[in-house]
Amino acid sequence: NAGVTQTPKFRILKIGQSMTLQCAQDMNHNYMYWYRQDPGMGLKLIYYSVGAGITDKGEVPNGYNVSRSTTEDFPLRLELAAPSQTSVYFCASTTNREYTEAFFGQGTRLTVV
Amino acid sequence: AQKITQTQPGMFVQEKEAVTLDCTYDTSDPSYGLFWYKQPSSGEMIFLIYQGSYDQQNATEGRYSLNFQKARKSANLVISASQLGDSAMYFCAMRGDNNNDMRFGAGTRLTVKP
Repeated sequence: NAGVTQTPKFRILKIGQSMTLQCAQDMNHNYMYWYRQDPGMGLKLIYYSVGAGITDKGEVPNGYNVSRSTTEDFPLRLELAAPSQTSVYFCASTTNREYTEAFFGQGTRLTVV
Repeated sequence: AQKITQTQPGMFVQEKEAVTLDCTYDTSDPSYGLFWYKQPSSGEMIFLIYQGSYDQQNATEGRYSLNFQKARKSANLVISASQLGDSAMYFCAMRGDNNNDMRFGAGTRLTVKP
């Protein structure tokens, strides 16, 4: 039972490049989230999904896109990477009940140079 | 939108003493859940404790307890008998029954002194 798996763990991008951060969960959770955490700061919600085919913007969606074609996968796409997107990205998942905690992946450390 | 506020950027506590980390929230949802997570220097997010808005009693989980005051919209984390391994960032978070997103506070960095 792997929980939430994020790949890659580390990545360096050049300005203007694009990439996809992968997130997969094997707990059959409906809700999935993408957060970014800048150094010394809290987690900011980028996008979230309440089920396959349904996504919605969070607090800081600009510069990112998501899709949810299956329950298991929730990839985050960065188009035209900018230095401001240098951050640690966390994916999380949970059930559709407000009293269950979210399970987090190990994070992806992204540097844009 | 939901909002979580943690007003203590950093806290210090002596080993074996208790410490309270503050968290206030704002939501329009009639029911919601409040969570605390620990993030050690290694970076992973570790779930500590949960409190439901309709729970009559404060949640406890080992050395962690949640001081829930619904009228004041506060959900403070109390760590008893602090240990050196408790040094970490602590985040308060909330998810509502109607709002599907899960929002986090800015965090409090706790340092336990020997």
